[in-house]
Amino acid sequence: ETGVTQSPTHLIKTRGQQVTLRCSSQSGHNTVSWYQQALGQGPQFIFQYYREEENGRGNFPPRFSGLQFPNYSSELNVNALELDDSALYLCASSWGRDRGKTGELFFGEGSRLTVL
Amino acid sequence: DAKTTQPTSMDCAEGRAANLPCNHSTISGNEYVYWYRQIHSQGPQYIIHGLKNNETNEMASLIITEDRKSSTLILPHATLRDTAVYYCIVRPLTGGFKTIFGAGTRLFVKA
Repeated sequence: ETGVTQSPTHLIKTRGQQVTLRCSSQSGHNTVSWYQQALGQGPQFIFQYYREEENGRGNFPPRFSGLQFPNYSSELNVNALELDDSALYLCASSWGRDRGKTGELFFGEGSRLTVL
Repeated sequence: DAKTTQPTSMDCAEGRAANLPCNHSTISGNEYVYWYRQIHSQGPQYIIHGLKNNETNEMASLIITEDRKSSTLILPHATLRDTAVYYCIVRPLTGGFKTIFGAGTRLFVKA
């Protein structure tokens, strides 16, 4: 186990709704990144938060937004859900730039979102 | 776009070594090679990483060519539980850099 927990594990939404996914980082990690993984594909980078600030973003529209809290836990929010948003959403925590650790990412088990 | 290219799939007999290649010809001087694997329906799991020297841990060995343009992940004695998708990634050790995954190699370990 990585110590990274995500909730909920599964959820079903309808098109146009909004969803919030949550992630608790491994203790001491100050960087959280989110990934979207469609069926049969590799994870696609959405964005990364370091000390509560977004410091990197992939090719995702603004309706994908996030937050990182002082305890370094994080949320991913998706507005105006579309059918193509159906995917496994993965959260990964790591040491930030000022730690100089191994740089490995510790992934949670993911939240599987189905949009109908 | 991913900075690495890997074969789509590979087979390996149980108990034999599995050698998974990865090309990363545009790797930068400050980028490390990381390997992760993803067993069905689970989050990716870190395996190993290296800069330019060969590395070994309890899970695998990583062989990086001298020009750093390619590498090979070696699972010395593959088991059925090693059946997974293996991702080769290049990224700096630290800093606010996104990690880009390609499609990975689907390894099938057969009895």
